[in-house]
Amino acid sequence: EVQLLESGGGLVQPGGSLRLSCAASGFTFSSYAMSWVRQAPGKGLEWVSAISGSGGSTYYADSVKGRFTISRDNSKNTLYLQMNSLRAEDTAVYYCAKDPHIVVYWYFDLWGRGTLVTVSS
Amino acid sequence: QSALTQPRSVSGSPGQSVTISCTGTSSDVGGYNYVSWYQQHPGKAPKLMIYDVSKRPSGVPDRFSGSKSGNTASLTISGLQAEDEADYYCCSYAGSYQGVFGGGTKLTVL
Repeated sequence: EVQLLESGGGLVQPGGSLRLSCAASGFTFSSYAMSWVRQAPGKGLEWVSAISGSGGSTYYADSVKGRFTISRDNSKNTLYLQMNSLRAEDTAVYYCAKDPHIVVYWYFDLWGRGTLVTVSS
Repeated sequence: QSALTQPRSVSGSPGQSVTISCTGTSSDVGGYNYVSWYQQHPGKAPKLMIYDVSKRPSGVPDRFSGSKSGNTASLTISGLQAEDEADYYCCSYAGSYQGVFGGGTKLTVL
């Protein structure tokens, strides 16, 4: 079955760090770019970061640049998001999403169920 | 990058047609044909409905169609059905390797 499964969310204090993972199955993971998209409680979607299929190109929203790092391990079919210096406004459900091309093409044809990150003291 | 502008809510009766607009600028919607639309039911992950402005993925009913004029993209749903009630989001490439979503539109089927 083609699916994405996020993990790693939880409660973290402001200024803390967290690493999210997204396990892919049912498709050739290395052939597709991937993104992280978040949704604050009761709010809309926000694109966070993207990475090409090879991992050689990475892109970030201005709101997370310098604090978050996207990476992937194609041998493990897993996407990661390392989040540092977390702020209250980073509180959201984080979705991983598959792009239908090996380079980032800015639309997402498969989404995971999301993992909740709460930044609070 | 500012979010694209969508109406907060739209409504229609079963069988009718509704159109949801998504307004950006020449730096995003107007500058590229990389507009996509997503449907999200409460508590669920988003689902791709339209990509590249007007293309429909396999499995999406042809009641859903997309278009663009200038800096505004539109999603039209014809023959409204109860299961179409959901939140809808547009998304566009915004240049400088950034993506941007709209604020979302709640569709109510009366």
